[in-house]
Amino acid sequence: QVQLVESGGGVVQPGGSLRLSCAASGFIFSRYGMHWVRQAPGKGLEWVAFIRYDGSNKYYVDSVKGRFTISRDNSKNTLYLQMNSLRVEDTAVYYCAKDPPGHQGDAFDIWGQGTMVTVSS
Amino acid sequence: DVVMTQSPLSLPVTLGQPASISCRSSQSLVYSDGNTYLNWFQQRPGQSPRRLIYKVSNRDSGVPDRFSGSGSGTDFTLKISRVEAEDVGVYYCMQGTHWPPSFGQGTRLEIK
Repeated sequence: QVQLVESGGGVVQPGGSLRLSCAASGFIFSRYGMHWVRQAPGKGLEWVAFIRYDGSNKYYVDSVKGRFTISRDNSKNTLYLQMNSLRVEDTAVYYCAKDPPGHQGDAFDIWGQGTMVTVSS
Repeated sequence: DVVMTQSPLSLPVTLGQPASISCRSSQSLVYSDGNTYLNWFQQRPGQSPRRLIYKVSNRDSGVPDRFSGSGSGTDFTLKISRVEAEDVGVYYCMQGTHWPPSFGQGTRLEIK
């Protein structure tokens, strides 16, 4: 079945780095755009980053531009999020989510289980 | 950026009774192709979000028909005809018409 499995979360000090991974299975990964969406503790959902199916275009929410980098390896069916210069306000559960077939506006048809990132001294 | 505003933020409902959540966008969500990319998501306690409805009123596979979506332009509604215990959680509207995608604040549905 279609599945996304995130990993790589943990506890890191402010200014530190982490790399999240999202392993995809059950669909042709290389055909779909992919997103990262985060949820701070007790808060709502916030879109973070997007990468086109072929990696040719990447977009970020303003608050992470210059610090986070989204990438993918279609040969490994894996999505990544490299997070540098982490701040306390980056503390959240990070979900990867898949673009649907058809128009991108029908967004996030499949989600992973999430991985927790805690930025604390 | 498009701001999505949901109401109410908290919704206590008696089992078997209907429930309704409103979502308003700061701009029209009609895309140039004529479609309206307004989606609804459910997040049960301790779980990941799950898409329930896309393009205003299309239910995802496996979503019970007691869930329905309606609306146009800037005003949208998610209705549950008869609330069941498994419906407890937070519901989010989300627009995909304008970049970047944006979510409402969420509406917490609880059993009264």
